Amino acid sequence: NAGVMQNPRHLVRRRGQEARLRCSPMKGHSHVYWYRQLPEEGLKFMVYLQKENIIDESGMPKERFSAEFPKEGPSILRIQQVVRGDSAAYFCASSPVSGSVNEQFFGPGTRLTVL
Amino acid sequence: GENVEQHPSTLSVQEGDSAVIKCTYSDSASNYFPWYKQELGKGPQLIIDIRSNVGEKKDQRIAVTLNKTAKHFSLHITETQPEDSAVYFCAARIRDDKIIFGKGTRLHILP
Repeated sequence: NAGVMQNPRHLVRRRGQEARLRCSPMKGHSHVYWYRQLPEEGLKFMVYLQKENIIDESGMPKERFSAEFPKEGPSILRIQQVVRGDSAAYFCASSPVSGSVNEQFFGPGTRLTVL
Repeated sequence: GENVEQHPSTLSVQEGDSAVIKCTYSDSASNYFPWYKQELGKGPQLIIDIRSNVGEKKDQRIAVTLNKTAKHFSLHITETQPEDSAVYFCAARIRDDKIIFGKGTRLHILP
């Protein structure tokens, strides 16, 4: 059973470009969470999604950031018109059931560098 | 708002000694407290967790304690080994499935 997959592992973008980060949850998991980690910082919650639904996006910036988890395919975190401050590691995690204390399994992360 | 404080930010211990990392949380409704280990270039990996109906849990060299009254929880690593060197994050689950993380402790095991 493969773990949480994220790609690309490293992404370099110039200011003003778009960044698309992909996350495939573990098999059988229908809940996905995105976190952002700045250097020497902890993980900051961004958004929680179930298939075709955004459950909680309270941690996501109101502009330029969006996330989706379609019925088929991976979850996508999209950052439009990237700025240098968007440089960070972005992790996704998945879990099988909500409303319980199930563990969140993390992927290896995508390291975004904005030049 | 919800907050998790973690101390120390950096910890160096001699190989074989014990390491203790402490966290406090602000939301009294928190009911689940996982600890994650993150090695360089990798995603966080769960190493142990504790639920609010338990005061202590142990797994080999790792133990966690929880004091709900004081809203404190701690990670204890005994007989530390070089492979324990990593960044450790405490976290607290609040409403629904939202987890708040501490800022991390960089643990160095000295030879």
